[in-house]
Amino acid sequence: GNSVTQMEGPVTLSEEAFLTINCTYTATGYPSLFWYVQYPGEGLQLLLKATKADDKGSNKGFEATYRKETTSFHLEKGSVQVSDSAVYFCALVSGGGADGLTFGKGTHLIIQP
Amino acid sequence: NAGVMQNPRHLVRRRGQEARLRCSPMKGHSHVYWYRQLPEEGLKFMVYLQKENIIDESGMPKERFSAEFPKEGPSILRIQQVVRGDSAAYFCASSPRGVSYEQYFGPGTRLTVT
Repeated sequence: GNSVTQMEGPVTLSEEAFLTINCTYTATGYPSLFWYVQYPGEGLQLLLKATKADDKGSNKGFEATYRKETTSFHLEKGSVQVSDSAVYFCALVSGGGADGLTFGKGTHLIIQP
Repeated sequence: NAGVMQNPRHLVRRRGQEARLRCSPMKGHSHVYWYRQLPEEGLKFMVYLQKENIIDESGMPKERFSAEFPKEGPSILRIQQVVRGDSAAYFCASSPRGVSYEQYFGPGTRLTVT
């Protein structure tokens, strides 16, 4: 079956630091990959996505590259801000199945001024 | 364009009562998904519905849980005879087409069973 593994949190960084949140996956077929962000008390918002190998998703300064050879989709940002503090979820969906998104457990990011 | 709407946002039920959670998808979206988020865990897929059809309910507990998406009106997730372990955040998502497309999430319903 499908699974997603994320680095454990919380991750605490200072403002303007470089961010990497690791994500690896196992899946049947060729999945689409996503990063979602959840702010306190809110639902999930799609941050970025990639639908095939070597695609790079990007949004709001965040980037992630679909690496089929290492089955990874690590999230990066060059300079984080306090407003980036949230929980980040890596997720996938198999191309041919009707089984919904498979999520990692989430990584709580805390940015200190 | 209004986003996915869920109500109520917070729901408190005593053990043994029924909980009804509602989800109105985004305009033009005909596919609805329900997920459950237990404390300190990620979201787990429960069920995928189209109008008047359950497409995949592989993530639904076998007993007490049911879901529907009628031709008119919101999707409903029903939990009968709730127990403390049902306490969680329940999120609904919608998409214009099937599972390979982007899913847009609602704000969630936080169910507390006392």
